[in-house]
Amino acid sequence: DQQVKQNSPSLSVQEGRISILNCDYTNSMFDYFLWYKKYPAEGPTFLISISSIKDKNEDGRFTVFLNKSAKHLSLHIVPSQPGDSAVYFCAPMNYGGATNKLIFGTGTLLAVQP
Amino acid sequence: NAGVMQNPRHLVRRRGQEARLRCSPMKGHSHVYWYRQLPEEGLKFMVYLQKENIIDESGMPKERFSAEFPKEGPSILRIQQVVRGDSAAYFCASSPPSSQETQYFGPGTRLLVL
Repeated sequence: DQQVKQNSPSLSVQEGRISILNCDYTNSMFDYFLWYKKYPAEGPTFLISISSIKDKNEDGRFTVFLNKSAKHLSLHIVPSQPGDSAVYFCAPMNYGGATNKLIFGTGTLLAVQP
Repeated sequence: NAGVMQNPRHLVRRRGQEARLRCSPMKGHSHVYWYRQLPEEGLKFMVYLQKENIIDESGMPKERFSAEFPKEGPSILRIQQVVRGDSAAYFCASSPPSSQETQYFGPGTRLLVL
């Protein structure tokens, strides 16, 4: 039972262009959504988050969009830089519930070509 | 302000031995989470603890695994009688009581069972 899906295992983008990473979820109880970046042999690094009461949150080069009716969110990185090359995980939670456990997607490997 | 600390970074055990993984949360953080990443998979929630209390252990295997977060000292994830299938990266995350929606991860402990 995979509640969180990142259907693109990998994505290749030219430096300076936009990277768009997608995430779909099935659990309507999710009300807080986080994105993490992960380099090999390191722990996930928090990037940006969005609450279910919003449809957009922006932080520098990173913007997250949430479409609750479609149960879909996306992370936009613009302009993309070679240092952005990493695995990106979408991780929603039911913040209003008894536990704040994150449910991670399978990840998308982003490669930004110089 | 140091981040989440985990030690050891790498741990090698033979089948049947015990593994002890330690996690020191960020200063001021009283919530600790443990996640496991098996090879070629995403991160999976294991357990959520507050000081001296286990809040949610729904992701913990029923046998051989235990976790604690004592009043003083780091959180410990203990795996008794390890088997090859326990080989994985184990990540600890912490969050402050005032902002529980964001979890900050440590670098992980990579356990290899021979």
